[in-house]
Formats: sequence, structure tokens, C-alpha cells
Amino acid sequence: DAKTTQPNSMESNEEEPVHLPCNHSTISGTDYIHWYRQLPSQGPEYVIHGLTSNVNNRMASLAIAEDRKSSTLILHRATLRDAAVYYCILGDDMRFGAGTRLTVKP
Amino acid sequence: DTGVSQNPRHKITKRGQNVTFRCDPISEHNRLYWYRQTLGQGPEFLTYFQNEAQLEKSRLLSDRFSAERPKGSFSTLEIQRTEQGDSAMYLCASSYRGGGGANVLTFGAGSRLTVL
Repeated sequence: DAKTTQPNSMESNEEEPVHLPCNHSTISGTDYIHWYRQLPSQGPEYVIHGLTSNVNNRMASLAIAEDRKSSTLILHRATLRDAAVYYCILGDDMRFGAGTRLTVKP
Repeated sequence: DTGVSQNPRHKITKRGQNVTFRCDPISEHNRLYWYRQTLGQGPEFLTYFQNEAQLEKSRLLSDRFSAERPKGSFSTLEIQRTEQGDSAMYLCASSYRGGGGANVLTFGAGSRLTVL
């Protein structure tokens, strides 16, 4: 199974951009990169996914390295409601690691 | 569509009792996943179905755990002879998987189990 590596935690100030990294050096050519987040006391929710090209949606942007061995989830202006655990997962196997706990300071 | 529904939301039981959780996926979704999550950890994969077929089970799913998805609609997860270590949040997710494309999961709110 393809694996991902994420920092355990990150901090951001409110209204500043946040870049959440994910390393996935063993990614295969057909693996999509997915990001989910889990707010306190809730189930995970889908954020964004991509294959090769950078992607934007109303929640975030996903920047994918040219070699696809890493990706970055970008929150353009962090709000207090973005405080959550962010998970990067690959392909079809839907396994979650420990994710990155994002703290947003007012 | 109201999303993925899980019941009960909370269950408190005594050690040794059996418990059953139900998951109603989004109606057009053909895949259904079960996860277990303990405090401070990410969701831990347990099993998944494509339609009514159980395609994969984690080694973590002991013989006390069984999941079914009759007729490829709702699913149940049963835990027999519960142990205190089974205390966790049990999450269900569903997706539509057909041909190529990404497998995007929609999660339910979870069922929290406390074993006394």
C-alpha cells in the first residue's frame, strides 16, 4: 500500500495562508491524492483530490509536485473553523494515518 | 439525500455483551467502509464492501467482529462479547466507484461505543 508522511502538528494565525505538506514517495502512476479533514467530534469530511495537476475548490487548493512524490494542501486564509486534523491519503485503499493537527490562533 | 446515517450515535454496554451498529449509505453509492477511531488516532480501516460483497477485511478485525451488507444497501457491524478495548468511535463511509476516477468518501457522524 502507498504510504504518506505528514507532520504531526502545525500552527497558523487567523487570516494567514496555511501550507500543509504531505510526502508520498511510493505513489503509483494511477494513485489519486486525497485530502480529508476532521473537525472536533465529527466524522472526516472530504476537502479536495487531484492526480497530476494543481486543483482548486471553494475550500482549498492542492499543489502537486511535478514528480508527484509530494503535495501541499493550501488554505488561503485560515479561520478558526479550519482548526482540525488534516489527512492525506492515496489511491484506492482509503487507509488513514495520524494526519496533521492544525491549530489556528486568533 | 441526507448523507451517510449511522445509528445509534452512542452506545454504552457492559463487557461481554453484543452490540450492533447500522450504517445507511448515500443511496447511489456502491462502496461502504467501516473504520474504528480511538482518541488521538486517525481512522483505522476495518473492512469494505462493494455492493453486497465484502472485498477486504483488516487483520485487526478479530473473529468477534462481523459486518454485513445484505442487498448492497445498509450495513451492520456487530461486535460480540465486547471488551473494554473495543471502546471507540465506529465510522462508516460510502462512495461511488465505477471505472476510473477518484474514490471520494462521504463519512457518517459515527457511533461511539463505551464498554464498561
